[in-house]
Amino acid sequence: GQNIDQPTEMTATEGAIVQINCTYQTSGFNGLFWYQQHAGEAPTFLSYNVLDGLEEKGRFSSFLSRSKGYSYLLLKELQMKDSASYLCAPMDSNYQLIWGAGTKLIIKP
Amino acid sequence: DAEITQSPRHKITETGRQVTLACHQTWNHNNMFWYRQDLGHGLRLIHYSYGVQDTNKGEVSDGYSVSRSNTEDLPLTLESAASSQTSVYFCASSGDFQETQYFGPGTRLLVL
Repeated sequence: GQNIDQPTEMTATEGAIVQINCTYQTSGFNGLFWYQQHAGEAPTFLSYNVLDGLEEKGRFSSFLSRSKGYSYLLLKELQMKDSASYLCAPMDSNYQLIWGAGTKLIIKP
Repeated sequence: DAEITQSPRHKITETGRQVTLACHQTWNHNNMFWYRQDLGHGLRLIHYSYGVQDTNKGEVSDGYSVSRSNTEDLPLTLESAASSQTSVYFCASSGDFQETQYFGPGTRLLVL
């Protein structure tokens, strides 16, 4: 079956760095998306990886290893506004996004 | 600016009633999706469409239907609302199969 595994909740300090891991099993693979979702709001797109390696976009970076079925989202210089849920969503062979329950990130001053 | 909107944003209805949730996008995207999101679950796909007159069932389609008569709109109908359909509903669209899905603001539905 298809499965996504992310930590349920993480806590970090303002100004620090945090890494949110995601492991996945899908039927086929057409890339992996990361979304951010603030409480009560819609998911918003953060990053897309289809090849192995690191993609950097400002304070956020995303890494993919297809052979290991593994990705992580790295957030640097954490700000209070980064408190949100982070959703890992690989795309399967039918171009469907497979969604995990997400990781709730709590930022403390 | 192009956008995706949903209406109503909040809805309270009674068990057994028919309810329609609207989704409208001005991106001119071919692909449109309906998801529901419940506490403790990831987003679950209800129905999706890859173009006008095309509709497909997702993993949780029972009790829901959609129709796609134009590019911009994909209304979601709950034929006979049940308390188990209390949820937050998100509509999304994308230009092509591997492209990013962009989400509407969501509709909070309460079925009493």
